[in-house]
Amino acid sequence: SQKIEQNSEALNIQEGKTATLTCNYTNYSPAYLQWYRQDPGRGPVFLLLIRENEKEKRKERLKVTFDTTLKQSLFHITASQPADSATYLCALPPPGRRALTFGSGTRLQVQP
Amino acid sequence: DADVTQTPRNRITKTGKRIMLECSQTKGHDRMYWYRQDPGLGLRLIYYSFDVKDINKGEISDGYSVSRQAQAKFSLSLESAIPNQTALYFCATGDGTTNEKLFFGSGTQLSVL
Repeated sequence: SQKIEQNSEALNIQEGKTATLTCNYTNYSPAYLQWYRQDPGRGPVFLLLIRENEKEKRKERLKVTFDTTLKQSLFHITASQPADSATYLCALPPPGRRALTFGSGTRLQVQP
Repeated sequence: DADVTQTPRNRITKTGKRIMLECSQTKGHDRMYWYRQDPGLGLRLIYYSFDVKDINKGEISDGYSVSRQAQAKFSLSLESAIPNQTALYFCATGDGTTNEKLFFGSGTQLSVL
């Protein structure tokens, strides 16, 4: 069966460093992958989408890569700030389904 | 005002009670979804609707039902609540594009005692 894995342990980094979060998936080849940000007590908010034929996508301090051979996406936040502290979720459209499936998310804590 | 509004924000109920969670949206999207979130399990799909006459079960629909009263309204019911339905529930709308992105409400924290 299809599975999406994100590191369940929180990632703690110092302000100004680059944060890198990982999303791995198994048993299928999605046409695209999305990243969302979730703050405590709030719903997820869409950040970025990357298609299967794109290697890399950038938006301001955010960068996403998509390696369909490794079945992995990396999400980078450069020059991280305490305001970037949140949980980050990856999401994919599984085969035969008409709704996104989400990973469990990785919590990022940026220390000042 | 929020584009996707969920009511109530918090609810405490007892086992066996019937509960309805409501969702309304002003984004004009045809597609609406209900997910639940549990610690360590991420978001899991309960039901989804692509228009008023199209209702589909998600991966964990047992114990739940839904009603799409209008394009803008999609409610989730727990006919007889049980403690393992204690979770954070999210409603979302979808923009219907090929690489559809979702827009979420702020969630309803439900506790079943």
